[in-house]
Amino acid sequence: AQKITQTQPGMFVQEKEAVTLDCTYDTSDQSYGLFWYKQPSSGEMIFLIYQGSYDEQNATEGRYSLNFQKARKSANLVISASQLGDSAMYFCAMSLYNFNKFYFGSGTKLNVKP
Amino acid sequence: DAGVTQSPTHLIKTRGQQVTLRCSPKSGHDTVSWYQQALGQGPQFIFQYYEEEERQRGNFPDRFSGHQFPNYSSELNVNALLLGDSALYLCASTSGGGSGANVLTFGAGSRLTVL
Repeated sequence: AQKITQTQPGMFVQEKEAVTLDCTYDTSDQSYGLFWYKQPSSGEMIFLIYQGSYDEQNATEGRYSLNFQKARKSANLVISASQLGDSAMYFCAMSLYNFNKFYFGSGTKLNVKP
Repeated sequence: DAGVTQSPTHLIKTRGQQVTLRCSPKSGHDTVSWYQQALGQGPQFIFQYYEEEERQRGNFPDRFSGHQFPNYSSELNVNALLLGDSALYLCASTSGGGSGANVLTFGAGSRLTVL
């Protein structure tokens, strides 16, 4: 069975500082993808970043980077230079390569303070 | 380029009623998945449709059913509504029949309240 764990229900960060959101996953499959989505209060899930299980380098997308530690089964999201607009719920998710079904964690609510 | 569109955005029903939610996938996508997101939780997979067929189903009762039309749009039907069905229902689309770890594009959801 696949499982995603996010242990930080809420986080605060000062504007312009960096923040790390934790995510650990559990699967016996070797082929999978890891994703981070942002969900503002409007409800829409916005894709941020993707890491494949065979990717040797950590993924980066602008201010977002994914700290992938395969042996520890962790996929932490790092947001650099936080902005007020980054305040939202953040979800870590996993999908196996053999079927595009996403398993989501319980989310982390990030609040960026001015 | 329109993303995933869902309707209605909000609706209120009473226990025992039936509801139909609608989704139009992003242009170029042919695969639609539905997720249920209860308050304070992450989304949970309901089912996925490709080529007008249900390809896989999550741990949801038969009261939850769906359909995909030739234009790739989809409907989610829930019969005999229970209070516990109150949630945000998210539609997500991708292409290629859902194989591989493809990025899902989500709509803004339909928020269902059951009284």
